[in-house]
Amino acid sequence: AQKITQTQPGMFVQEKEAVTLDCTYDTSDQSYGLFWYKQPSSGEMIFLIYQGSYDEQNATEGRYSLNFQKARKSANLVISASQLGDSAMYFCAMREGLDSNYQLIWGAGTKLIIKP
Amino acid sequence: SAVISQKPSRDICQRGTSLTIQCQVDSQVTMMFWYRQQPGQSLTLIATANQGSEATYESGFVIDKFPISRPNLTFSTLTVSNMSPEDSSIYLCSVEGRYNNEQFFGPGTRLTVL
Repeated sequence: AQKITQTQPGMFVQEKEAVTLDCTYDTSDQSYGLFWYKQPSSGEMIFLIYQGSYDEQNATEGRYSLNFQKARKSANLVISASQLGDSAMYFCAMREGLDSNYQLIWGAGTKLIIKP
Repeated sequence: SAVISQKPSRDICQRGTSLTIQCQVDSQVTMMFWYRQQPGQSLTLIATANQGSEATYESGFVIDKFPISRPNLTFSTLTVSNMSPEDSSIYLCSVEGRYNNEQFFGPGTRLTVL
């Protein structure tokens, strides 16, 4: 079974609109972390936001927020007021266990295109 | 955040040759990770490299094909040996941050094998 599922292979969004990128995960661990990364066409992986399984508040970083619904095992990324520069691949990843010795498990990614 | 550089940024190589990719970090880190991203795919972990010990390889990756060095806490190399067109990928170096909620990536090496 897939550990990380991103159901949207691609999305087109109008500039300045909000965007929600879906991510569901599957784990039996109580301790885990969820990550979102952005990968522009240049290929670099840019860390956006992190949510720990014990965090009670949804994580926020500037225009990025993570809509964490633990019971539904959902960790959707919300980008407010989208910009042309937000066009990129977006990957959701999970670490089972909170220690960095545990590897990241990656979703297949969502290609986001912002239209002017 | 950690600043990570990789060399080369891209290369085009002939089948059967080898390429060594360098990863330099601006701070000392215990663990460094090497990933492969094949065209249109997500990331796959190749191996984890700790300073002073042998790298730990993931299933499907072997040391003879992807030898790794980790001579100190700020540097690592990954060699892609006896390359074939199937090795054409982006290779990414990654390090953990100061906290468990951080993992940073280098800019990647875009490899094309003809």
